[in-house]
Amino acid sequence: DAKTTQPPSMDCAEGRAANLPCNHSTISGNEYVYWYRQIHSQGPQYIIHGLKNNETNEMASLIITEDRKSSTLILPHATLRDTAVYYCIVRVARGSSGSARQLTFGSGTQLTVLP
Amino acid sequence: EPEVTQTPSHQVTQMGQEVILRCVPISNHLYFYWYRQILGQKVEFLVSFYNNEISEKSEIFDDQFSVERPDGSNFTLKIRSTKLEDSAMYFCASSGLQGNEQFFGPGTRLTVL
Repeated sequence: DAKTTQPPSMDCAEGRAANLPCNHSTISGNEYVYWYRQIHSQGPQYIIHGLKNNETNEMASLIITEDRKSSTLILPHATLRDTAVYYCIVRVARGSSGSARQLTFGSGTQLTVLP
Repeated sequence: EPEVTQTPSHQVTQMGQEVILRCVPISNHLYFYWYRQILGQKVEFLVSFYNNEISEKSEIFDDQFSVERPDGSNFTLKIRSTKLEDSAMYFCASSGLQGNEQFFGPGTRLTVL
């Protein structure tokens, strides 16, 4: 799986948009970009994923650059409950055997939403 | 909303003892995983399970570890002879046919004394 680079920490004011960047310059054509978050030792929580088009769901938006070498997760109106470690993970959906691939977690970005 | 459940929430054991951590994945999911997180460290993959067999395993998942799906609902992780360094949060996860979105349980905190 391609390596990702994220800033170790970011702050965001409550109610403002949080934009979390991720670099994945060695991403392959069949690798997806996934975002998960972990709120203080709870189980990681899936947020969103995409291949090359921008994606939006009820939690967030994912913007992937045209060359796919970087992406940005956008939380449009951050709340205090969004304080968490956010992980950007690049991987193929399925391995050669057809089974779903593992997730390889890095250190992520600690997002702190300030009141 | 369906969720992954894990029991117990906290397990304390003596070094050398066997422990079994239990998980109930989401009912129609096909892929099952165990991860662990030592305090203050990254979440690490242990093993994935599909079609009643191990699909992938990491270097951490040595002969002391085993997984089993004894019935249609439970998915267990057994550590045969626990070591102090096995102390960690253990997370179970499951995913559906597409394998994209992994749903994680709340974790079991294992403390080895």
